[in-house]
Amino acid sequence: DGGITQSPKYLFRKEGQNVTLSCEQNLNHDAMYWYRQDPGQGLRLIYYSQIVNDFQKGDIAEGYSVSREKKESFPLTVTSAQKNPTAFYLCASSPRTGNEKLFFGSGTQLSVL
Amino acid sequence: DQQVKQNSPSLSVQEGRISILNCDYTNSMFDYFLWYKKYPAEGPTFLISISSIKDKNEDGRFTVFLNKSAKHLSLHIVPSQPGDSAVYFCAAAVGTDKLIFGTGTRLQVFP
Repeated sequence: DGGITQSPKYLFRKEGQNVTLSCEQNLNHDAMYWYRQDPGQGLRLIYYSQIVNDFQKGDIAEGYSVSREKKESFPLTVTSAQKNPTAFYLCASSPRTGNEKLFFGSGTQLSVL
Repeated sequence: DQQVKQNSPSLSVQEGRISILNCDYTNSMFDYFLWYKKYPAEGPTFLISISSIKDKNEDGRFTVFLNKSAKHLSLHIVPSQPGDSAVYFCAAAVGTDKLIFGTGTRLQVFP
């Protein structure tokens, strides 16, 4: 089955700790995205990548970092600089960047201890 | 600056009736619009889309209407079913630029 896999489903972060959220896709999509969802807010774009070894900041990139070493993988690191990391994080992919419909993973809920 | 707005955070509809979810936008350059459906603790799934060259697109029980002069988009679900209970996000884009999402409307369909 083709799709996007996010792990873990739940993650807890201690103060000052960096944590990494995994996102893997086997859809052979070029573009991948990270969104953050907070209660009462829409999906906000953190980072996106159009091609391997290239990525761009979204609207709320501060305190986050990404890498795109392989086409199928786009991990997101939430650094200690992100002061309000508690949120539901969604990874998505599309065949190419643009207004193609996005395919989303099932999300990771990150909470701060 | 919220370019895509869903002013109703929630909507409750009886099973079998029509559900109408609304979305307003401010950027007249948007030329592609989508609706996504999201269940709790899951990722959104694509529902239906419409290009700015159309004013209506229909897919089974789901119809999206676009009123460009009013900068207004609506999703009609008829008849509504309990399984339609979810959060619905509208999204818009200019050309191949990134999607801008609204804040979502929680739909509850009761028996």
